[in-house]
Amino acid sequence: KAGVTQTPRYLIKTRGQQVTLSCSPISGHRSVSWYQQTPGQGLQFLFEYFSETQRNKGNFPGRFSGRQFSNSRSEMNVSTLELGDSALYLCASSFGGAHEKLFFGSGTQLSVL
Amino acid sequence: AQKITQTQPGMFVQEKEAVTLDCTYDTSDQSYGLFWYKQPSSGEMIFLIYQGSYDEQNATEGRYSLNFQKARKSANLVISASQLGDSAMYFCAMREGVPGGKLIFGQGTELSVKP
Repeated sequence: KAGVTQTPRYLIKTRGQQVTLSCSPISGHRSVSWYQQTPGQGLQFLFEYFSETQRNKGNFPGRFSGRQFSNSRSEMNVSTLELGDSALYLCASSFGGAHEKLFFGSGTQLSVL
Repeated sequence: AQKITQTQPGMFVQEKEAVTLDCTYDTSDQSYGLFWYKQPSSGEMIFLIYQGSYDEQNATEGRYSLNFQKARKSANLVISASQLGDSAMYFCAMREGVPGGKLIFGQGTELSVKP
């Protein structure tokens, strides 16, 4: 069974640009959540989608947005990139219930120059 | 507010020995889940073990076991018979017991296994 797949693995962008990251969950999983990991702030929750609806959202500015498609694949978009957006972005998938295990992908390493 | 505390920034263990990684948590919720993840230098976050707040038995997954002490709000990870490949960052996390609940992570413990 394939795991969570994130593309691309690495991205280099410049300030002011926008970026889209993709996440394909484990087959059968309907929930996808996104996390940002930085050396200073650690791992922080961005948002969670279930059946194409955002169910939960973290404390990030509106420049960070996401969506989920009918096949449960999810994309995350960051507009007007700032240097501080440089981070490892991880997505996790689960069936979507309250006591589910979350399985992560390998992440997308974003560098903003 | 929910919080996870990992007080050991770094630890060393000899190959084939057991090691315990500490994790304490704070929550006022009755329903929650506790997770441990391993993150090697490659960056992927590997699921190790899960314990639900209502589970009476300590969780075990192969060489990993979770020492769950609810009254003390601790959820320590025990790795038996350490292997060189166990060298990595280890994160303790707590999840709200609601659909879509977010994971709250600790700062991590870097484990180094010595040959």
